[in-house]
Amino acid sequence: DSGVTQTPKHLITATGQRVTLRCSPRSGDLSVYWYQQSLDQGLQFLIQYYNGEERAKGNILERFSAQQFPDLHSELNLSSLELGDSALYFCASTGTGGHRLEGYTFGSGTRLTVV
Amino acid sequence: GESVGLHLPTLSVQEGDNSIINCAYSNSASDYFIWYKQESGKGPQFIIDIRSNMDKRQGQRVTVLLNKTVKHLSLQIAATQPGDSAVYFCAESPDSGGGADGLTFGKGTHLIIQP
Repeated sequence: DSGVTQTPKHLITATGQRVTLRCSPRSGDLSVYWYQQSLDQGLQFLIQYYNGEERAKGNILERFSAQQFPDLHSELNLSSLELGDSALYFCASTGTGGHRLEGYTFGSGTRLTVV
Repeated sequence: GESVGLHLPTLSVQEGDNSIINCAYSNSASDYFIWYKQESGKGPQFIIDIRSNMDKRQGQRVTVLLNKTVKHLSLQIAATQPGDSAVYFCAESPDSGGGADGLTFGKGTHLIIQP
């Protein structure tokens, strides 16, 4: 167990729908990152939050959004889903605004299937 | 754009032999590098990291070598075991302190251990 908790583990939904993925960072970690892993694009950085504030954006679509709550858990919202959004979505956390010597700690991911 | 990539998609080694996984990066501003191991159905697991002011770093059975001149990173695994079978990713970040912008991942190398 990495200490980073992601729910749900699996999600199947239809095109056009909206889903919310949840991440609880490792205890004490202030920074949360979201990544998408697909077969053709590999692991892609989506967005980072630090202590409730958006810190950096990567290849995140406008249909996607995220937030980090006062208790530091984060949610990734995916709307108007398309077949191509099917992927593994990972959350990672670190202790400071940046990395620690042991790197970013990843959760086990949420497998999203859009049908 | 700049990217991190791996030379070989699949590496097959005999159990007990040493494994070397290579990675080329193109962002000369990269300051921090991490190797991750990903087993089927799991999130990336931190193996070892190195900062750009170092050439070599050793962990338990693993060594990371960094050659900034040719922008090359390698992961050496000593006495490879069946449990080492996984996909290995290198990742880089230009930000050694703040942690913004997330990590840029390579495509991954699948390490297969032959009995």
